[in-house]
This record gives sequence, C-alpha cells and structure tokens, in this order.
Amino acid sequence: DSGVTQTPKHLITATGQRVTLRCSPRSGDLSVYWYQQSLDQGLQFLIHYYNGEERAKGNILERFSAQQFPDLHSELNLSSLELGDSALYFCASSVAAGGPYEQFFGPGTRLTVL
Amino acid sequence: SQQGEEDPQALSIQEGENATMNCSYKTSINNLQWYRQNSGRGLVHLILIRSNEREKHSGRLRVTLDTSKKSSSLLITASRAADTASYFCATDTGFQKLVFGTGTRLLVSP
Repeated sequence: DSGVTQTPKHLITATGQRVTLRCSPRSGDLSVYWYQQSLDQGLQFLIHYYNGEERAKGNILERFSAQQFPDLHSELNLSSLELGDSALYFCASSVAAGGPYEQFFGPGTRLTVL
Repeated sequence: SQQGEEDPQALSIQEGENATMNCSYKTSINNLQWYRQNSGRGLVHLILIRSNEREKHSGRLRVTLDTSKKSSSLLITASRAADTASYFCATDTGFQKLVFGTGTRLLVSP
C-alpha cells in the first residue's frame, strides 16, 4: 500500500458525460501528479500540482482539468467523454517538487466510456 | 509521446535466472527511475539513478546508466515468480514530469 488513495476504483459512463476522479496523496506529500495509461498510448503524464499550484502540464486534453485543494487532495475532471478516454488514470504523490523524489502511485481508477 | 523505448518488450525466464531489461531515451535527463507494475495495478517505485551516477544497487536490483548512449539497464538477479510484472523506465527531464517507456513484460516461471 503506497498510502495514495484514489476513488472510485471503477467508473463506467457514456460518451458525452463528465466525471470526477479523486486522489488523496500520502500524508505529508505536497506534490500530486496525474497519469493516463491506455493500451495505445502507454503511460502518459497529464499534469502536476504542488501545494495547490499547477507546476507542469503534459499531454492533457482541453476537455480535462484538474485542481489541488487546500487539504492537498486533487481532482481530475474529464468532460465530453469519448470512447478513446477509456483508460486507467493514476494519481501519484511525492514529498515536494524539484526533485529528484520518487513518486508513490495510487491503485488507479479504471474509466470505461461506452 | 513516449521518451523511452524498452527492450525486450517481453521476457520469459525460469526462477533463479537473471533478467535484464534495457531502456533507451531521447533527451537529456535529471534522473531516471524504474517502476514495476503488477497486472493493471498501481506502479511501485524500484530505484532512482541520477544523471551523474553510473550504477546503483538495491537488493537484487542493479541499474546502470550511460548518459552518453542515453540508455539504462535494469538487472534482476536470482528471479522469483513474484517478480512477474511489467517494468517501466521513466525519465525526469525537469519538474519531475516523468516520461515513461513502453515497458517490458517479465514472466518468471517456477
């Protein structure tokens, strides 16, 4: 158990819908990262937040947005969902930013868009 | 897009044998990390090697880094069935924006 929690574990929804994925980092970690893992794209970095502020963006679609709250939990919002958004979404946390620090991954949320 | 390419894509060995996985990447890095993923589950950090280091050990793991060739290797010695998993290299080019390789699927048979 990495100490990073993600909810829900599974999510099944329809195209065009909007969902919110939630992540709680390890106690004391200030950085949260979101990744998407799909069969065709592999593991892709989406976005990094540090202590509530966005620090880096990766291959995140405009339909996707994220935020980190004062209690350091983070949410990833996916809207206007398409079939191709079906994937495993991972959240990871690390103690700080600027590194190098290892990242601790949550168990992931499996999103299925029908 | 993927920074790293891993080789081989899949590896099948017997318990007790050594397993070697290679990772090549394209741009300069701050550090390189190796992660393990059991089927469909979260990734587990194995080892981090900084760009100014050439070799690092952790238990049965040995990682090498050759920045001139932009490549790294992960050696698992005396493999066990429990080592069966996918292994990913991840490069950190700044701000811990990890870019993952394509992964090597390792199968260790009893």
